[in-house]
Amino acid sequence: ETGVTQTPRHLVMGMTNKKSLKCEQHLGHNAMYWYKQSAKKPLELMFVYSLEERVENNSVPSRFSPECPNSSHLFLHLHTLQPEDSALYLCASSQGEGNSYEQYFGPGTRLTVT
Amino acid sequence: AQSVTQLDSQVPVFEEAPVELRCNYSSSVSVYLFWYVQYPNQGLQLLLKYLSGSTLVKGINGFEAEFNKSQTSFHLRKPSVHISDTAEYFCAVSEQGAQKLVFGQGTRLTINP
Repeated sequence: ETGVTQTPRHLVMGMTNKKSLKCEQHLGHNAMYWYKQSAKKPLELMFVYSLEERVENNSVPSRFSPECPNSSHLFLHLHTLQPEDSALYLCASSQGEGNSYEQYFGPGTRLTVT
Repeated sequence: AQSVTQLDSQVPVFEEAPVELRCNYSSSVSVYLFWYVQYPNQGLQLLLKYLSGSTLVKGINGFEAEFNKSQTSFHLRKPSVHISDTAEYFCAVSEQGAQKLVFGQGTRLTINP
């Protein structure tokens, strides 16, 4: 595997379910990000982890819970979601100590909440 | 706070015609600038970036962009587009030294034969 991978690619869940999204980066980066991409809206940064510590939480509802057990893995735990949470969830990584902080993205998980 | 405005939500172009996708940003400090492309059902892929130096930046797939500090713009251009360039294009900015990227709303480029 190369780059940034995300699983599952598609997920349908009911509002009472609990599920998790997984992201793994194979680039040796030390920062990871979760974004939400909804139709007709700009990408919304949800969480930033640097060296496995959460450094940013953009007022995301508590029904989204991130976890970063090491610099290569990032999870997004989901529970009691709402239909408006249906979106494409993108994971990204970057080399935080570099000069450019360009981010490399995974293919995303298409989430549908019913 | 930084912000990015992509002036066109959709741009239809005929194949082999030139194209320009416009991006303006606002920031009170020095910035890095990026263009990403998103093909259907995929994540974002970096097309090119401006960090410093020459204001004309060349990227993948024949795209280039020019940084204009006085106009706070970073427009993306390609002299001759191909059907395979059909995608969504995102301009993004980050403050130098910061990890956070701020994205524009995206421009959907549609290439007609």
